[in-house]
Amino acid sequence: LAKTTQPISMDSYEGQEVNITCSHNNIATNDYITWYQQFPSQGPRFIIQGYKTKVTNEVASLFIPADRKSSTLSLPRVSLSDTAVYYCLVGPMGNTGKLIFGQGTTLQVKP
Amino acid sequence: DSGVTQTPKHLITATGQRVTLRCSPRSGDLSVYWYQQSLDQGLQFLIQYYNGEERAKGNILERFSAQQFPDLHSELNLSSLELGDSALYFCASSVGGLNNSPLHFGNGTRLTVT
Repeated sequence: LAKTTQPISMDSYEGQEVNITCSHNNIATNDYITWYQQFPSQGPRFIIQGYKTKVTNEVASLFIPADRKSSTLSLPRVSLSDTAVYYCLVGPMGNTGKLIFGQGTTLQVKP
Repeated sequence: DSGVTQTPKHLITATGQRVTLRCSPRSGDLSVYWYQQSLDQGLQFLIQYYNGEERAKGNILERFSAQQFPDLHSELNLSSLELGDSALYFCASSVGGLNNSPLHFGNGTRLTVT
């Protein structure tokens, strides 16, 4: 199973772009990279998923270099409501495999 | 709203007791996952079912068991409860199969063992 490493915490200010990098040196060929957001006492919420290169949706962008050993979640123009824990998850989707969450990155957005 | 329903929202019980947590997955999802989240352990993967069959097992204690029923809802049974079992228990579902669909989480059951 690919182990992930993320910064434990990050601080930012409203309106700034935030980039959170996740290292996953042992990523397997059939592994996808998925990011989740979790607010206190709520279940994690899917943000974005990718396999390689760049993926963008209405919430975030995900950058994955060619070697896939790391990935970067980019949140444009964060607001106070983006204060949450962000998890990088690496694993096969579908009906096989254990999907392991790491410790996550606690993002604190300040006014 | 993720579409995943967990009941009850809160549960308070005593040590040594047994409880059952229930999860209804999103319509159309065949895979169900259970996670435990306590303050000092983060999100711990317990077990996964796909279309009624166990597919992956994580750090699930022998005192815990789960199953997925033909209507695809799932139950997590926790027995001989200890104080350390107090945690948030999340259920998640996904389409499963070869589809690379993400997990959708419910809002959890908060278990307090006194």
